[in-house]
Amino acid sequence: GNSVTQMEGPVTLSEEAFLTINCTYTATGYPSLFWYVQYPGEGLQLLLKATKADDKGSNKGFEATYRKETTSFHLEKGSVQVSDSAVYFCALSGWDTGRRALTFGSGTRLQVQP
Amino acid sequence: DAGVIQSPRHEVTEMGQEVTLRCKPISGHDYLFWYRQTMMRGLELLIYFNNNVPIDDSGMPEDRFSAKMPNASFSTLKIQPSEPRDSAVYFCASSLTQGTNTEAFFGQGTRLTVV
Repeated sequence: GNSVTQMEGPVTLSEEAFLTINCTYTATGYPSLFWYVQYPGEGLQLLLKATKADDKGSNKGFEATYRKETTSFHLEKGSVQVSDSAVYFCALSGWDTGRRALTFGSGTRLQVQP
Repeated sequence: DAGVIQSPRHEVTEMGQEVTLRCKPISGHDYLFWYRQTMMRGLELLIYFNNNVPIDDSGMPEDRFSAKMPNASFSTLKIQPSEPRDSAVYFCASSLTQGTNTEAFFGQGTRLTVV
């Protein structure tokens, strides 16, 4: 079945540091890949997505590239801010195999210190 | 659009009581999902519907859990009887079929505490 593995947190960084959160996946076919962000007390919000190999999703300074050869979708940001402190979830959807529901990783908590 | 609307936002109930969580998906969306979030198990898919029909309920933990979608604009998740281990945040999400685009929009969640 489908699965997503994320690096464990928390990740603690100083403001303006470079961020990488690793994500790898297992799936049949050609899944769509997503990063969602959850701020305290809120629901999940889509941060970025990629629907085919070599696509790069980007939003708010965050980027992730769909690497089929390494089955990875690592999240990066060049300069984090305190306001980026949240929990980040990597997810996939096996739309082509009929499995439309998102499968999530365990989440990575990011703490950015001023 | 107001987004996915869930109610109540918080629910505290005693063990053994019936609990009903409600969800209004985004208008026009044809998929609806129920997820549960706990510290121990993360985000778990409970059940999802397509055009009001349940497609996969393999994530529903026990017969105490049931979900319905009587129409395109409303769904309920019911727990009867509730137990302390059901305490969690329950999320509803909806999405629209558009080829490879399977982005799901989440509600704010219902935080359930069973004492």
